Amino acid sequence: EVQLLESGGGLVQPGGSLRLPCAASGFTFSSHGMSWVRQAPGKGLEWVSAISGGGGSTDYADSVKGRFTISRDNSKNTLYLQMNSLRAEDTAVYYCTKDKYSGNGGLFDYWGQGTLVIVSS
Amino acid sequence: EIVLTQSPGTLSLSPGERATLSCRASQSVSSSYLAWYQQKPGQAPRLLIYHASTRATGIPDRFSGSGSGTDFTLTISRLEPEDFAVYCCQQYGSSPWTFGQGTKVEIK
Repeated sequence: EVQLLESGGGLVQPGGSLRLPCAASGFTFSSHGMSWVRQAPGKGLEWVSAISGGGGSTDYADSVKGRFTISRDNSKNTLYLQMNSLRAEDTAVYYCTKDKYSGNGGLFDYWGQGTLVIVSS
Repeated sequence: EIVLTQSPGTLSLSPGERATLSCRASQSVSSSYLAWYQQKPGQAPRLLIYHASTRATGIPDRFSGSGSGTDFTLTISRLEPEDFAVYCCQQYGSSPWTFGQGTKVEIK
């Protein structure tokens, strides 16, 4: 059974940093692209960042480019999102998602339960 | 960036009725790379349909998708009580991958 378990969310001040890990199990982690997708309170879904199965290819939404960094450790079956220079508009539930394919395909067949990040003073 | 517009915003129907949800793209979606997700309150989205018309694993056949280019449709043939939720379309044909704002299917 595929499982994706995010952690690391919480309250952070504007300008601060946070690192979100996502522990994956139940599938061959290194064979699938992974993404982070977020959802602001009461709003729709927004793709944030993606990384290929091998980690060599990454992509970012313009809204986070230069501030967020996606990475993965295939030896630990873990995906990460390093978030710097956080803004109030980054407040959202952050979902870890598994891509159905190995590259950055953008088709999310499994989702974690999400972790809430609140950026506020 | 491809903008996806879903209509209607809310659909009020009774169990057993047919639901027809629309997703319109601001430009053609490459290779019909269009997916539909279901989201219930407090839960993560669940993949229902991909490649515009292929049901994901375990999805009942009352869910069907159709369309190409810029116009796509999700149809639920007979609503079951567990189908009342928010449905969202997403294109994965070109980066940045984008989502529609969602259609809420509520009990009438």
